[in-house]
Amino acid sequence: DQQVKQNSPSLSVQEGRISILNCDYTNSMFDYFLWYKKYPAEGPTFLISISSIKDKNEDGRFTVFLNKSAKHLSLHIVPSQPGDSAVYFCAAQRKTSYDKVIFGPGTSLSVIP
Amino acid sequence: DVKVTQSSRYLVKRTGEKVFLECVQDMDHENMFWYRQDPGLGLRLIYFSYDVKMKEKGDIPEGYSVSREKKERFSLILESASTNQTSMYLCASSLPGPRGETQYFGPGTRLLVL
Repeated sequence: DQQVKQNSPSLSVQEGRISILNCDYTNSMFDYFLWYKKYPAEGPTFLISISSIKDKNEDGRFTVFLNKSAKHLSLHIVPSQPGDSAVYFCAAQRKTSYDKVIFGPGTSLSVIP
Repeated sequence: DVKVTQSSRYLVKRTGEKVFLECVQDMDHENMFWYRQDPGLGLRLIYFSYDVKMKEKGDIPEGYSVSREKKERFSLILESASTNQTSMYLCASSLPGPRGETQYFGPGTRLLVL
């Protein structure tokens, strides 16, 4: 049973608009959340993270929002650029098992010029 | 820059063959991981190691084994390859601790088992 879910396998957005990628989790023991980005033929790379004590973290064009009561987080990319086209994985960690990262299935984002 | 290298980018093997996937990292990381990536399932942890000669099962260890004789090298072994092990295999390394962003991935090995 997947503990980290990304219900949209794919998303298409026009260049310059906002991309919103969603993620839901089931385990209330998760206390650290991450987004990874993966281009074809490359390994995933870390993008942005958020601790469960926060509800927002921003890094340039990327913002992650966390709603603990809903067990939901989202990644906003503003403005979207064609180079953002990639697969985005939502991931989570438990305080008792920090070295392990639990990944979601991924959302493939296409930014159309 | 952290570098994680995997011995092959593409591999084709026959059912029943023993398969070795090698991973090497150059940053003296304690932790190393093997994942497989499948469409709709994301990255699933097969095994990880937090020290030389130490290993722990991940979520899907069946049909796999691992070896870590040196800190920089972590090998994934398919004892008898089967078609359902056709997948993208990703190796990662990290420092121990609470920050998941310290996981650095190799480029992956796409394995096809015929």
